[in-house]
Amino acid sequence: AQSVTQLDSQVPVFEEAPVELRCNYSSSVSVYLFWYVQYPNQGLQLLLKYLSGSTLVKGINGFEAEFNKSQTSFHLRKPSVHISDTAEYFCAVSSGTYKYIFGTGTRLKVLA
Amino acid sequence: DADVTQTPRNRITKTGKRIMLECSQTKGHDRMYWYRQDPGLGLQLIYYSFDVKDINKGEISDGYSVSRQAQAKFSLSLESAIPNQTALYFCATSAGLDRTDTQYFGPGTRLTVL
Repeated sequence: AQSVTQLDSQVPVFEEAPVELRCNYSSSVSVYLFWYVQYPNQGLQLLLKYLSGSTLVKGINGFEAEFNKSQTSFHLRKPSVHISDTAEYFCAVSSGTYKYIFGTGTRLKVLA
Repeated sequence: DADVTQTPRNRITKTGKRIMLECSQTKGHDRMYWYRQDPGLGLQLIYYSFDVKDINKGEISDGYSVSRQAQAKFSLSLESAIPNQTALYFCATSAGLDRTDTQYFGPGTRLTVL
């Protein structure tokens, strides 16, 4: 069975500081991994996804994530955050039956 | 205009009432999904549909039913609402190409059952 664990429920960080949001997964089949972002009062939208190839994936708004097969991780990073990055971030894995399994989310709070 | 719309955006109802949440999409996608979001629990899949004639239960389908009226419309019903169904509900679509599909989400419906 597949699962996704987001280790931090909340991450406060000061504006212009770097941030890393952690995600670990378990899967017995080929892995397709995603990060979605949910801004206040909005639905989720895709930030980036790992399908195959390069383990460093670049997404929108300056975010990137690194797929690490040996550590079964897909951590999300941004070198310098802005107030507008305040949102909830979800890691997800695509299961073998074309469904997604979502993590419990990490709430990023960027402080001025 | 938004590609995935949900109505209503907010709804307050009483225990025992029948409620329908509606979802429409203009993306031309075959696959549609209903999720429930609770604080600290992430998103849980209620039902999903791969086309008009193919509807499947998700992880938490008890107490819910769905109807796929057309490729573009997918409704979620609570036959007799109960307080623990208070949550944020999202509809999503995907093209149905393969496991690498991106899902596109509506803005959500906040449901409160008193």
